[in-house]
Amino acid sequence: EPEVTQTPSHQVTQMGQEVILRCVPISNHLYFYWYRQILGQKVEFLVSFYNNEISEKSEIFDDQFSVERPDGSNFTLKIRSTKLEDSAMYFCASQGRRFSGNTIYFGEGSWLTVV
Amino acid sequence: KQEVTQIPAALSVPEGENLVLNCSFTDSAIYNLQWFRQDPGKGLTSLLLIQSSQREQTSGRLNASLDKSSGRSTLYIAASQPGDSATYLCAVIGGADGLTFGKGTHLIIQP
Repeated sequence: EPEVTQTPSHQVTQMGQEVILRCVPISNHLYFYWYRQILGQKVEFLVSFYNNEISEKSEIFDDQFSVERPDGSNFTLKIRSTKLEDSAMYFCASQGRRFSGNTIYFGEGSWLTVV
Repeated sequence: KQEVTQIPAALSVPEGENLVLNCSFTDSAIYNLQWFRQDPGKGLTSLLLIQSSQREQTSGRLNASLDKSSGRSTLYIAASQPGDSATYLCAVIGGADGLTFGKGTHLIIQP
């Protein structure tokens, strides 16, 4: 079965540092997402990306966050100046087409710990 | 704003039992509903997707139903096994891009 891969699986960073989380979506998919899950809480939508631009973002996705697709395969989430409350599991997801019964596939996640 | 609620929050049953997990959502204007499985510290594995026009989907021992008008879905697990122990998440997608998730049902199957 096709899969979404994420790196790193776990990163510890100091408060105020920049972090880049990387994702390789499923190769023929067109829609890409980032979600996060703070320990013990719900999975929350951060941002969606289509056609090389942000399609939609949640209120969580403020100016400290950015996404890009630097080449044809990678999809990255950058957190510019990390805060303690950014500690969470970050999931990348991809989808072939929006709606129309297309499954959204998630990666294994990148666990970010800010100290 | 869409809200998704899952009941029960936790469930522990002996191996072999059939069980039902419940999901409800406040805004019936959805395109799809997806059920996921999450093992501790791991990613989300998609189990079943139901389009808004469908009533149910089946995969092996799993059957998911959708009653869009009442804002409800159920996940039925037949003949439960210890390997089914995990957290089961329900998520819906409507006009906006992102999935809205419930908090999940933490399921333990006792050997």
